[in-house]
Amino acid sequence: DTEVTQTPKHLVMGMTNKKSLKCEQHMGHRAMYWYKQKAKKPPELMFVYSYEKLSINESVPSRFSPECPNSSLLNLHLHALQPEDSALYLCASSRQMKVHYGYTFGSGTRLTVV
Amino acid sequence: KNEVEQSPQNLTAQEGEFITINCSYSVGISALHWLQQHPGGGIVSLFMLSSGKKKHGRLIATINIQEKHSSLHITASHPRDSAVYICAVSNTGNQFYFGTGTSLTVIP
Repeated sequence: DTEVTQTPKHLVMGMTNKKSLKCEQHMGHRAMYWYKQKAKKPPELMFVYSYEKLSINESVPSRFSPECPNSSLLNLHLHALQPEDSALYLCASSRQMKVHYGYTFGSGTRLTVV
Repeated sequence: KNEVEQSPQNLTAQEGEFITINCSYSVGISALHWLQQHPGGGIVSLFMLSSGKKKHGRLIATINIQEKHSSLHITASHPRDSAVYICAVSNTGNQFYFGTGTSLTVIP
């Protein structure tokens, strides 16, 4: 299995909703990443987990809450989002945090906040 | 100034043409990545290279470490190659810098 699987593919949520994005990989990668990508822009790093511990938080607002329950799974919990948070959310993984060999992206979750 | 610059920003080609996308970077790197993103879709990693040249099917990627420059070539281009191609570089400090992408359209 050489994939990063993200679910759901599309999500529409209201500003008062609570939802979660899920990312899964079974490549034995110990670093996992959340990115946010607005239209026609490169991805922006949000969080990095290394060995299931949060290593990097790029000053992301607290309405985004990451969680890494085990080495294969990464969640992004969403609460009280704003319309400007609408974007493509990409998950990625690599063998280790400072070794980008095998850097693999998921297909993303297209989030729309209404 | 971006750490990674790509050219051209937009490229239209006829099917069958040879295509070159260029990438220049200004930081020290451990590896350079070429990524492909179809409209509205996720990102696929095409190549990761730190020296020399790699080939996969009709795609060829080269890197010149001294000149801090890489090229992605597509031979015998096809409409299904239409996508955004992103150059990204990574270093041992876990920084991952993305270029702004080259939007390629191949016309039948």
